[in-house]
Amino acid sequence: NAGVTQTPKFRILKIGQSMTLQCAQDMNHNYMYWYRQDPGMGLKLIYYSVGAGITDKGEVPNGYNVSRSTTEDFPLRLELAAPSQTSVYFCASSVQTAILNTEAFFGQGTRLTVV
Amino acid sequence: AQSVAQPEDQVNVAEGNPLTVKCTYSVSGNPYLFWYVQYPNRGLQFLLKYITGDNLVKGSYGFEAEFNKSQTSFHLKKPSALVSDSALYFCAVRDILTTTDKLIFGTGTRLQVFP
Repeated sequence: NAGVTQTPKFRILKIGQSMTLQCAQDMNHNYMYWYRQDPGMGLKLIYYSVGAGITDKGEVPNGYNVSRSTTEDFPLRLELAAPSQTSVYFCASSVQTAILNTEAFFGQGTRLTVV
Repeated sequence: AQSVAQPEDQVNVAEGNPLTVKCTYSVSGNPYLFWYVQYPNRGLQFLLKYITGDNLVKGSYGFEAEFNKSQTSFHLKKPSALVSDSALYFCAVRDILTTTDKLIFGTGTRLQVFP
């Protein structure tokens, strides 16, 4: 099983550029999450999705957009990159239903630097 | 509002001694609680979870955690620490009675085990 796959692993962006961080899971999980982790800090929830076609804001959504057109994919879009978006981004997925609740499985992260 | 707190930025312990990493939570409904570990430049790995049942939960690598509803705590413990346990530990909570059933993380506690 591949689990949760994030691409790219590293990226340097110039201020004002845009990019999409890709996240895919092959476990048929309904929930998917995007977090950012700043140096010495915890994980802040950016956006999450409870299923295909449904997304919702987390704690720090400004400057980001997401979509969930399929169960497998949950890309994160940065439209106008800013230095404040320099961070490590983690995607995660889990099963959360009335009868089954698993832990979240994480990707290996994308280290983004905006200069 | 849903939240989780890890009051210690760092915990230092000698190898062979017991360790405790503290976590308290706040949810409006019933909590699902999780502990994760992060090694340098890696994603998060699941350690253990409390969903329901016994208040003492056993997980990976000899770790365990005790759910205390009256104190709203879920402290991580290990009877005998190893140098290889040195890492960043995150507590997380889901509020299962809200419509926005998202996973929120604490700020993390760095565990340093000295030989």
